[in-house]
This record gives sequence, structure tokens and C-alpha cells, in this order.
Amino acid sequence: DADVTQTPRNRITKTGKRIMLECSQTKGHDRMYWYRQDPGLGLRLIYYSFDVKDINKGEISDGYSVSRQAQAKFSLSLESAIPNQTALYFCATSDLSMDEQFFGPGTRLTVL
Amino acid sequence: QKEVEQNSGPLSVPEGAIASLNCTYSDRGSQSFFWYRQYSGKSPELIMFIYSNGDKEDGRFTAQLNKASQYVSLLIRDSQPSDSATYLCAVTAGITQGGSEKLVFGKGTKLTVNP
Repeated sequence: DADVTQTPRNRITKTGKRIMLECSQTKGHDRMYWYRQDPGLGLRLIYYSFDVKDINKGEISDGYSVSRQAQAKFSLSLESAIPNQTALYFCATSDLSMDEQFFGPGTRLTVL
Repeated sequence: QKEVEQNSGPLSVPEGAIASLNCTYSDRGSQSFFWYRQYSGKSPELIMFIYSNGDKEDGRFTAQLNKASQYVSLLIRDSQPSDSATYLCAVTAGITQGGSEKLVFGKGTKLTVNP
């Protein structure tokens, strides 16, 4: 089984809908991250969390919210989806003692 | 704003040649440096990390770090068609009590290895 999983893997939705993307990990890592990737713009950090009680904004948090339900689970929500949120979304984890991040398989989100 | 710059490419090399990928970064406080490989439509995969000035070799891959010049490179020897991918450079940013806060990624260099 994969160490970092994301659900759903693909999602098509309409403008204005609320969407939740979920990330789970079995690596036992404390830190979790949400990124989006757009062609030509690279990976951009949305939110990150160092433990269950810690949430931090990244460089592009507007329009997004997160919830760290447990050490192993970190969810990303789009309260009212808009077309420019169409992107590939990745969850990543890292251990407190290391800087390396390990990525989930990604969620391809299309907002019509 | 911490920045990581990479040549977007595409970089095209023949099979068996050495591919050289370069990266510069703006934050002199960065401590750790990473190279990720990303195949089209897939997630980034960590292939190399380096913390100290100099070279680090792992199989066909060599990472080189020069902190004075704020420069990191990745050499791929005996390039294979399966090495064709986008290579992302990442550096640490922000220092907390528990270590670095996050990674800043370059936009990636697309490498094509021609048979």
C-alpha cells in the first residue's frame, strides 16, 4: 500500500461548489503539506501543518481552507470552487527530523 | 520572496551522454537541497539530497553544491530514455526550532533523452 494516499484522484466540478480533497499517510510523519501545480508555474504551497494543532498559510492560501483531523489526515477544502482553481493538487509529508518531503499521487481537479 | 531558478528547457541529450541540470537560489540561509524527478502526470519523486558543499554521488546521479555561489546542480551520467522527465530543484526556507519550515521549488527543467 502507498505511504501517502489522496482521494479523489480525479474530480470534475462546477463553479461555486464546495470540494474537499483528502490526504492520508501511514509514514508516521508529523508534517503535512498541500501544493498545487500549474503548467509553467511549478509547485506552489497552499497550506502546511506541523501537528494536529498547527496550521500555517502558504503562498497561495486565498480561496482554500484546511483541516488536520489527526496526525495521519490532512484535508484541503475549496469553499466555492472557481475555474482558476483547476490544477493538479499534491499532498506531501515530512518527518520532524528531516527536510525531505514525500508526495502523494495527486488529485487532478477541474472546475467548469 | 525566496526564489529558486531553473532553466525550463527542454534539455535534449542523446542516450549515453551526461545531462547537466542547474539551479540557483536566493536565500543564503538555505540549509538543505533536493532534486526531485517528475514524470508527466505523476507526483515528484525524491532522487538526491545534499547538505554540504561539494559533490555527492549516488549511482548515475551526482549532486553538486556551491553555497558561496548559491548554486546546485545535478549530473546524470549514461543518460537513458527512462530519465526523460522534469527535474525539480528544491531548497529549504524558514528556520524553526524543529528544523526548516518548508521547501521552495523551482519550476523544473524538462529533460529528454533521445535513443
